[in-house]
Amino acid sequence: KAGVTQTPRYLIKTRGQQVTLSCSPISGHRSVSWYQQTPGQGLQFLFEYFSETQRNKGNFPGRFSGRQFSNSRSEMNVSTLELGDSALYLCASRQLPQETQYFGPGTRLLVL
Amino acid sequence: AQSVTQLGSHVSVSEGALVLLRCNYSSSVPPYLFWYVQYPNQGLQLLLKYTTGATLVKGINGFEAEFKKSETSFHLTKPSAHMSDAAEYFCAVSDQEGGSYIPTFGRGTSLIVHP
Repeated sequence: KAGVTQTPRYLIKTRGQQVTLSCSPISGHRSVSWYQQTPGQGLQFLFEYFSETQRNKGNFPGRFSGRQFSNSRSEMNVSTLELGDSALYLCASRQLPQETQYFGPGTRLLVL
Repeated sequence: AQSVTQLGSHVSVSEGALVLLRCNYSSSVPPYLFWYVQYPNQGLQLLLKYTTGATLVKGINGFEAEFKKSETSFHLTKPSAHMSDAAEYFCAVSDQEGGSYIPTFGRGTSLIVHP
């Protein structure tokens, strides 16, 4: 069974731009979560989607948004990029919310 | 609220030596506990997990961890370190109380293995 895939793997943007990241979960997994990983803050939860509905949300500004499609694929959007948004963005999927998460390789975003 | 503390941001061992990575948690309800490993420029890979039952959990690559409720600990061990074990290790506790099941991660411990 294929693992979680994320595209693109690397991205360079400039301040003020917006960016969309994509995540394809493991087949059969209906829950997709997003995390931001930085050296200073560690792993921080952004949000989780389950069956196309946002189920949980972390403490991030409204510039960070997401959605999930009927095939469980998910996208994350960051508008008006700031330098501090430079990070590794990780996606994780699981069959049901109470089960173990499996992570993708991440998208490394650099904001200049 | 749940939290995880990983003692030591860096742990250095010689190849063949015992690996011990420490994790303490706080949770108001029986926790689900996890250890993940992250290699450079990669995502997190599940090493092992504790949900219920046997408190000694065996994972991949020869790692194991023991859930000790009285000490609120879930330390990760491996009898003999290998060079390929050099990576970042994360302990996590999952929120069962509110039903969100969102894991809270520790800050990570970087394992350095010397030849």
